[in-house]
Amino acid sequence: QKEVEQDPGPLSVPEGAIVSLNCTYSNSAFQYFMWYRQYSRKGPELLMYTYSSGNKEDGRFTAQVDKSSKYISLFIRDSQPSDSATYLCAMSASNDMRFGAGTRLTVKP
Amino acid sequence: DGGITQSPKYLFRKEGQNVTLSCEQNLNHDAMYWYRQDPGQGLRLIYYSQIVNDFQKGDIAEGYSVSREKKESFPLTVTSAQKNPTAFYLCASSQIGTGVAGELFFGEGSRLTVL
Repeated sequence: QKEVEQDPGPLSVPEGAIVSLNCTYSNSAFQYFMWYRQYSRKGPELLMYTYSSGNKEDGRFTAQVDKSSKYISLFIRDSQPSDSATYLCAMSASNDMRFGAGTRLTVKP
Repeated sequence: DGGITQSPKYLFRKEGQNVTLSCEQNLNHDAMYWYRQDPGQGLRLIYYSQIVNDFQKGDIAEGYSVSREKKESFPLTVTSAQKNPTAFYLCASSQIGTGVAGELFFGEGSRLTVL
């Protein structure tokens, strides 16, 4: 079993849809939870960051962490074609960071 | 602009050859990392360095080597001992002790293809 599980998709939605991306993990020591966005042929960039459990909102993006279920989510409201990218979840404890495989999202105009 | 520069973007190698991927950062970050990205798998850590002249193996260090002679530079050599080197390689840096814990700044990657 992988330490971090993420459905690779691909996921295709129409413009304006609400997108839900998810990861599960097995290591209860993880305390920092991140979502990175990676455009094609580029390096990932940090999109959202959450410490421990709870929600965090930034514009159209909301990150949720449920440590009791070892489950994290990223919601994108009013999705745009410019949101088309691969979304990688990541989580860390001390110096140990683990990444999900990434979910490829396409938002169609 | 501050950032991480990786070169070359694309590289072709014949079997049995060593190749070196360059990574330079002007963010004044202490820590630098090399990751490998394969389809359907998460980023896997090859090597990391938290200080000049010191580096540590990651999860998949076999067949790779690194050096950290300068703070801004962290080159990766893919040796002929690496059995499956075709992949997308990402260099990253972070500042220890400040900023968002776990925030990595990535370069644009180098795609290595073994012919």
